[in-house]
Formats: sequence, C-alpha cells, structure tokens
Amino acid sequence: ETGVTQSPTHLIKTRGQQVTLRCSSQSGHNTVSWYQQALGQGPQFIFQYYREEENGRGNFPPRFSGLQFPNYSSELNVNALELDDSALYLCASSRESRGGNEKLFFGSGTQLSVL
Amino acid sequence: AQSVTQLGSHVSVSEGALVLLRCNYSSSVPPYLFWYVQYPNQGLQLLLKYTTGATLVKGINGFEAEFKKSETSFHLTKPSAHMSDAAEYFCAVSDRLNQGGKLIFGQGTELSVKP
Repeated sequence: ETGVTQSPTHLIKTRGQQVTLRCSSQSGHNTVSWYQQALGQGPQFIFQYYREEENGRGNFPPRFSGLQFPNYSSELNVNALELDDSALYLCASSRESRGGNEKLFFGSGTQLSVL
Repeated sequence: AQSVTQLGSHVSVSEGALVLLRCNYSSSVPPYLFWYVQYPNQGLQLLLKYTTGATLVKGINGFEAEFKKSETSFHLTKPSAHMSDAAEYFCAVSDRLNQGGKLIFGQGTELSVKP
C-alpha cells in the first residue's frame, strides 16, 4: 500500500497570490478530505471530495476550492491569499463504503507561509 | 452542532507514569469519537475510535479510551508512559450520518514525557 503524499512540503507566498496544493491518495481510496491546521490549533475541515464531486464543506470562503481527479488525486486551490491562511494543510484519504466512517489516512501536510 | 474540548493544552508525565488526556464532546446525535496522534512534521495517525458497542476501546501503542455518554467524555489513557509517546494528541468527533472525512477536532494536548 502506498501512503498519502502531499506536495510541496513547504511553500512561501505573498499576500494576494494564488496557491495550488496537491495530494495523492492512498491506493484504493475514493474519498479525499482537506484540513487546515493553524499553529497550535487542531485541524479544521475545509471540504471533502467523493468521486470527483464536493461532498461537504466546512466554514471556509469560496476562495478555497478543490478538485478531485479520476485517479482520485486531489488539489486544493486558494485564491487571494491572506496572512491568516498561513497554516499546515493536511490531506486525508479514505475508502467510503455503505458502512461509512472508514479509517482516514493523513499525509504529512504542506506548510504554507503567507508573507 | 458538534464540538470537542480537550482539557489541558500541555500535559507532562514521568516515564512509567499513567497518561490521562481529557476530552469532552458535544453532539446532538450519537457520536463517533476518535483519538489521533501527531508527531513533529508528520500527519495524524489514528490511535483508536469508538463507533458502537463496547465503551472501552483499545488502540495502538497501549492506549485505550472509554466512552461515557453520561459525562459526554472520551478520555485517553495509557498505564505506563514511554518516551516515544511524546507528541500532540487530538480528540475528534463526527456524526453517524457523515462519512469519516468530516471530523471536528479539539485544540490538541501536547504530551511531554520526562525521563
């Protein structure tokens, strides 16, 4: 089994720029979720994608958007970056089934710094 | 709405001592409850989860947690701390209608283990 991989590991951007973060799901997983973890805080749910469609969203503005591709890899896009967007962005994949609540596998994250 | 409160942002124990990390939750529906561990520069790893059935749940690395509905608690314990247990621990909740990706996390508790 391959794990969840995220790229890049670190990124520095300036306010107002746009950023794309990437995630490769674990083999066999059809669902990906993105979380934002600010320094000293717990992860906050951004959104989830299931079979290429958004399947739930947390309290984040529309400038946070995502994509899931046929191979179940995913992107998180953030437009008009703000200083408060500086955080660790975590991707997690799972294999959804009728039983629900399959185990989440997290990547190591992308550390985004906005200057 | 669901929420999680972790009591104590920092807990310090001696090697060999009991580990107790506290978590209280709020949920209008029967919850699924989770404990995750995060080592520096890594993603989150599932320690254990409660869904239904036995209220005492055993996880990896000797950790266990007990679901107490009357107290809305899900405290994490380990009888004897090891140096390798030093990490950040997160309690999380999801409702049974949601798939596993939509978790609400607590603020985290940093566990230090003294030799």
